[in-house]
Amino acid sequence: AQSVTQLDSQVPVFEEAPVELRCNYSSSVSVYLFWYVQYPNQGLQLLLKYLSGSTLVKGINGFEAEFNKSQTSFHLRKPSVHISDTAEYFCAVSGGDKIIFGKGTRLHILP
Amino acid sequence: DGGITQSPKYLFRKEGQNVTLSCEQNLNHDAMYWYRQDPGQGLRLIYYSQIVNDFQKGDIAEGYSVSREKKESFPLTVTSAQKNPTAFYLCASSIGAGNTDTQYFGPGTRLTVL
Repeated sequence: AQSVTQLDSQVPVFEEAPVELRCNYSSSVSVYLFWYVQYPNQGLQLLLKYLSGSTLVKGINGFEAEFNKSQTSFHLRKPSVHISDTAEYFCAVSGGDKIIFGKGTRLHILP
Repeated sequence: DGGITQSPKYLFRKEGQNVTLSCEQNLNHDAMYWYRQDPGQGLRLIYYSQIVNDFQKGDIAEGYSVSREKKESFPLTVTSAQKNPTAFYLCASSIGAGNTDTQYFGPGTRLTVL
């Protein structure tokens, strides 16, 4: 069985400040990890994914995430956020028979 | 342009009525999915289909039905048996049903029961 936990339901951050959105997972099998973004009233789109290889994964819009097997984490980071990053972010884990999504983290950018 | 379309964008239903949500993709993907999204709950899988003429129940299939007669289309019917159908519904597709396959999402349909 797999599960994914997003530790923060909302994260406020000032514009141009760095941000980290936290994601932890549990699984009894090898996993593949994803971050998706959902802008208001839209569907989700892929930001980045980890399948294998380098544990630091770079995605679109300046985001990156680091896979940490010992801590079972896949935190998402951006060094400087912009107002256009206002959205909900979902971590997801795949490894069994289906993909499991976290409950999401809302990123609020403060002016 | 390749992508996934969902219609309508907003849908209102009276209690006791069945409604069908449309999902079409022109990405030539084999796998298609329906999710329900409620505030603070993330995405919950309703049904998925790995290939034409085959589909499986997800975690919250009760009160819903689907069909997959064509590769491009995966309509979802919300029946009167669904006790709390007001939600945002998302359709997705992927090239296959493998663990590494990225899912591509439609823009969603917001269903409100009056």
